Amino acid sequence: EVQLVESGGGLVQPGGSLRLSCVGSGFIFSDPYMDWVRQAPGKGPEWIGRIRNKVNSYTTEYVASVKGRFTILRDDSQNSLHLQMNSLKTEDTAVYYCSRGYSTVGSTTLDYWGQGTVVTVSS
Amino acid sequence: DIQMTQSPSSLSASVGERITITCRASQGIRNDLGWFQQKPGEAPKRLIYAASNLQSGVPSRFSGSGSGTEFTLTISSLQPEDFATYYCLQHNSYPLTFGGGTKVGIK
Repeated sequence: EVQLVESGGGLVQPGGSLRLSCVGSGFIFSDPYMDWVRQAPGKGPEWIGRIRNKVNSYTTEYVASVKGRFTILRDDSQNSLHLQMNSLKTEDTAVYYCSRGYSTVGSTTLDYWGQGTVVTVSS
Repeated sequence: DIQMTQSPSSLSASVGERITITCRASQGIRNDLGWFQQKPGEAPKRLIYAASNLQSGVPSRFSGSGSGTEFTLTISSLQPEDFATYYCLQHNSYPLTFGGGTKVGIK
């Protein structure tokens, strides 16, 4: 059974930093690209970024609103995905989800999601 | 960025009714589209992938169609557990973008 478990959320002041983590199980973690999606209170989901796999040199993509502030990393040896968030703004307040992205083995784009971790940016 | 325009933004329907939700892409996305259901306090759940393929475990009353710029999600006979918010997602090009959502309520 595919499982994704996020952690690391919390309350942070504007301008601060936070590092989220996601641990995956039940699949070959190193195979698919991995994505982060967030959802602000009362709003729809927003895709924020992706990290490709080793075959594709772990390259990344980001939505414009987080580019230069957020960094996605992965450690396939630990089945873990990370989201380093710097220069946080109040508008980054959201539930953050990790999910599977594209894979060459089946159609995995956002097929499984974690339970989410809450990030609140406030003074 | 590709804009996904979803309609209606909300609808009220009765159990047993057939409903259709539409998503229109601002440019062609082939069939690189998924449909998601979200209930309050839960993560979105994928229902349909590649525009018309039913996710394993999802009831057959859900179906998707379309290609290019016009897509539809149909629920053939609405059940009590289907009252939720539905989103489309395009993954043809970066950034991936969601539609604005359709809240399905009880009439």
